[in-house]
Parts: sequence; structure tokens; C-alpha cells
Amino acid sequence: AQSVTQPDIHITVSEGASLELRCNYSYGATPYLFWYVQSPGQGLQLLLKYFSGDTLVQGIKGFEAEFKRSQSSFNLRKPSVHWSDAAEYFCAVGPYNQGGKLIFGQGTELSVKP
Amino acid sequence: DAGVTQSPTHLIKTRGQQVTLRCSPKSGHDTVSWYQQALGQGPQFIFQYYEEEERQRGNFPDRFSGHQFPNYSSELNVNALLLGDSALYLCASSLGQGVLPLHFGNGTRLTVT
Repeated sequence: AQSVTQPDIHITVSEGASLELRCNYSYGATPYLFWYVQSPGQGLQLLLKYFSGDTLVQGIKGFEAEFKRSQSSFNLRKPSVHWSDAAEYFCAVGPYNQGGKLIFGQGTELSVKP
Repeated sequence: DAGVTQSPTHLIKTRGQQVTLRCSPKSGHDTVSWYQQALGQGPQFIFQYYEEEERQRGNFPDRFSGHQFPNYSSELNVNALLLGDSALYLCASSLGQGVLPLHFGNGTRLTVT
């Protein structure tokens, strides 16, 4: 079955500390992978995407993610967290030829301590 | 440019009623997908519209239906509302049926009492 697992429901980090949010997927074909961020009461904003090529992808707001096929993972990282990064983060996977049908993880809520 | 816009932002309905949610895609996009996001969960795919036809459908009952208009805007209709239909309904658009990534609107918060 196709699925996305985000093992951490809630993470708290101190401002200025590094961040890593975990994402594991189960998918039969070559996946297209995404990270989205959702602020309270808002829709989803795309942080970054992986389609092919370099397994380390850069996104907006200083985020990056690394695709590891052998581990079926696509973890999100940021070297120094800002208070404004507090939000819900979703990992998603989808096939290119069924563009609208993304499968999302349950999300990780990030809190940032001053 | 204009992003994905959804209306209304909030809606309260009673069990058994019907509701219509609206979505205008990002400028230049022609494909609209709808997602349901229950509280504390990730979004779940409802269906996708392209060229005014439903192209893909997730695991949702026939009470959920939709429409796409010639200007690419879309409606989501839910009949015979249940308490469990309370959720944030997200619309996403893209250019072309199979082209990612999706661009999401801010959603419509539906509360069923």
C-alpha cells in the first residue's frame, strides 16, 4: 500500500538550533516527493520538491531535503530555525502521471522556543 | 499573480444539508484537485478535474461531487452532510492533468452541527 509516515507528531526546538523532520514513504513506483508547510488557518505552501537528479534539494526559507532511496526517506532539514518557522509540516508523495493525487503524511507540528 | 482562491472561508451547516464550495485556480492553471483535511490529519485526495471532467477520484462516497467550468474554476458539492464531514477543504491547482507540484488555496473550514 502507498503511504507516507511522519514519525514525529510534535517537535520542539530552540530558536537558532538545527532541525530535522523525518519522512518515510512506501510507494511502488518512482516517487515524486514534496514538503509543504501549513500555518494555522492557512493552506499549504510548497517548501521544496524532488523529481529526479541530485538527491539533495534546496527549497524556500532555507530548507533542504535529502532523498535516500535505500531508506525510503525524504527528511527535511534546516540549519538554524527561526521563530517564524513554527507551523505544521507535511511530507507528500505522488506519481507524475496522476498529478493531483498526492498522498500526505499525518504532519509534524513544529514549536520554536525563544 | 493571483493564487488559488477559495470561498467561503468558513461555513456552518446542519446534518443532512447540502453545501457547495468554490475554487478559482492559480492564473494559468487548468487542473483543479480537492482535498479534505480533518483536524490533526494530513489532507486526503477527494477528486481531480481537468477539461471539465472528473479524472481521478479518491476513496470518498458519491455524496461528494464536483464540477469544473470552462474558465477552469471548480465547485465541490457535498450532499446529506454528516458530522464527520467537518474539515478543512483544500483546493489545489496545477497546469496540466499530470503536472506537479500542486498550488493550494487557504481552504474552506466546514463545520457540520
